Amino acid sequence: DTGVSQDPRHKITKRGQNVTFRCDPISEHNRLYWYRQTLGQGPEFLTYFQNEAQLEKSRLLSDRFSAERPKGSFSTLEIQRTEQGDSAMYLCASSPEADEQYFGPGTRLTVT
Amino acid sequence: GQNIDQPTEMTATEGAIVQINCTYQTSGFNGLFWYQQHAGEAPTFLSYNVLDGLEEKGRFSSFLSRSKGYSYLLLKELQMKDSASYLCAVRGRSTGFQKLVFGTGTRLLVSP
Repeated sequence: DTGVSQDPRHKITKRGQNVTFRCDPISEHNRLYWYRQTLGQGPEFLTYFQNEAQLEKSRLLSDRFSAERPKGSFSTLEIQRTEQGDSAMYLCASSPEADEQYFGPGTRLTVT
Repeated sequence: GQNIDQPTEMTATEGAIVQINCTYQTSGFNGLFWYQQHAGEAPTFLSYNVLDGLEEKGRFSSFLSRSKGYSYLLLKELQMKDSASYLCAVRGRSTGFQKLVFGTGTRLLVSP
């Protein structure tokens, strides 16, 4: 499969716990994006990498959120001290240049 | 910043034609995208317009008027599988020409 993959697909965690999600982009894509989507809304931008450099970060991304792309390939998104408001679908997308973005299947996070 | 408006919900009959409108406000416009999203799944790319006019791709067409800040997605010969949310997204100078800003999506229900 040559699409964007994300792991895990579902995560249930208790409030206050830390969680980490992984995204593997399409191999030749140097741009990687994280979005968050809640029910009935469109995806909201969180952060963007070009290769290993994190070039943009949304104000939505509080200091509890951190993202990395250490070797310019896969990326991780960590949420520390999760809150119920963090419950959402976390989507990863990649693109070759400034072209259309291809989305992965998402990680659905439920914070209880 | 950006402001994107699209109808919340539309209904249509199998075999018919439906037009989903999107109006937007953004600075330094650099592209408008349409994505389809089935419930519980990731968005999939449908079309991209950066110049005025109509782009046709099989049963789907997308139109753009930059001066009016207006786009529409036209779906012909509707099929039951077209029941989904349709997301309009723009890219502009204020987004650094990178991230997409999405509307809330139009939920389309196709009935027999």
